[in-house]
Amino acid sequence: NAGVTQTPKFRILKIGQSMTLQCAQDMNHNYMYWYRQDPGMGLKLIYYSVGAGITDKGEVPNGYNVSRSTTEDFPLRLELAAPSQTSVYFCASSGVDSSNSPLHFGNGTRLTVT
Amino acid sequence: QQQVKQSPQSLIVQKGGISIINCAYENTAFDYFPWYQQFPGKGPALLIAIRPDVSEKKEGRFTISFNKSAKQFSLHIMDSQPGDSATYFCAASRTGGKLIFGQGTELSVKP
Repeated sequence: NAGVTQTPKFRILKIGQSMTLQCAQDMNHNYMYWYRQDPGMGLKLIYYSVGAGITDKGEVPNGYNVSRSTTEDFPLRLELAAPSQTSVYFCASSGVDSSNSPLHFGNGTRLTVT
Repeated sequence: QQQVKQSPQSLIVQKGGISIINCAYENTAFDYFPWYQQFPGKGPALLIAIRPDVSEKKEGRFTISFNKSAKQFSLHIMDSQPGDSATYFCAASRTGGKLIFGQGTELSVKP
């Protein structure tokens, strides 16, 4: 049982490039989330999804896009990367909403934009 | 009103000592208060959680204390061990809402 799998683990982008961060879970969870973690700032919610075909913005959605075509996968797309998007990105899932069920996190993608 | 403020930012404790991390919130609608533990290179994992119908919850060496009137809650780690060295995040949400995380505390337990 792999849980939540994120790829890649590390990536360096040049300003203006685009990329997709992949996230897959094998727990049949309906809820999936993308967070970014910056030093001293905690975890900030970028986007979340309550099921296939349904996505919504979190606290810091600007510069990102998501899609949820299957229950298992929740990719995060960065268009026109900027230095402010240098961060560690975590994908998470939960069986029901996060106020009633633990979040299961992947091991993160460390992204540097130069 | 959506913020959760966590302190200290970093903490060094001797093995066997007590580690205490504090969090404060503003939104009185919050009714779920979890703590997550994160080891280097890993994602956070739920450690312990409390709801405001109790003032304290204990699981092994980890205890959450909750003060509803002061809008504060804290994590106490008794008999701290080097294996407890990690980053700890408090969080809060209302039922059905999304978790708001604190800024994180980097705990180092010295042998």
